Amino acid sequence: KQEVTQIPAALSVPEGENLVLNCSFTDSAIYNLQWFRQDPGKGLTSLLLIQSSQREQTSGRLNASLDKSSGRSTLYIAASQPGDSATYLCAANTGANSKLTFGKGITLSVRP
Amino acid sequence: EAQVTQNPRYLITVTGKKLTVTCSQNMNHEYMSWYRQDPGLGLRQIYYSMNVEVTDKGDVPEGYKVSRKEKRNFPLILESPSPNQTSLYFCASSLAAGRSNQPQHFGDGTRLSIL
Repeated sequence: KQEVTQIPAALSVPEGENLVLNCSFTDSAIYNLQWFRQDPGKGLTSLLLIQSSQREQTSGRLNASLDKSSGRSTLYIAASQPGDSATYLCAANTGANSKLTFGKGITLSVRP
Repeated sequence: EAQVTQNPRYLITVTGKKLTVTCSQNMNHEYMSWYRQDPGLGLRQIYYSMNVEVTDKGDVPEGYKVSRKEKRNFPLILESPSPNQTSLYFCASSLAAGRSNQPQHFGDGTRLSIL
């Protein structure tokens, strides 16, 4: 059974800092891994999807990497801003039914 | 605008009173699913649908029903809601399922409180 872990549960950084959010998963047989952002009272916004054959994906200040063999993915946020404050979730897609197994998320606070 | 729309966004109701949460997507997606999000437990899949008339159970299907009569709609039905179904519910869709590398898109969520 796939398990996804995100540590730490919360992170507070000053504005401008480059930061890395970690995600680990137990079953390396994934189709893809997706990173989401969740704002309070809002839904999940898809940030990046990395296919199992890819090593990384980039979108603006965000870069996600994937190392299947070690069961790890990272989300790199460059030059963090207060508007980046949110909960970031990673989700592994391992089944033919496309079920996403989510981590519990990292709540990020970027201080002005 | 491409989106997944859930209704209602918020609902407070009482035990045993049947309710339906609607989900509609305008992206012609084949795959749709429902998740619930609970503190400390994260997001868990309730039901999913690979295509019209094809539905199956996820990890926590007890107490829920779904139907997929049309491609765009995937309602979640609580026949006899109980307090342990108080949760934040999300509907999701993607172009295709299985080995597809299509991202999944989520609605804004429905917060249900069952008293």
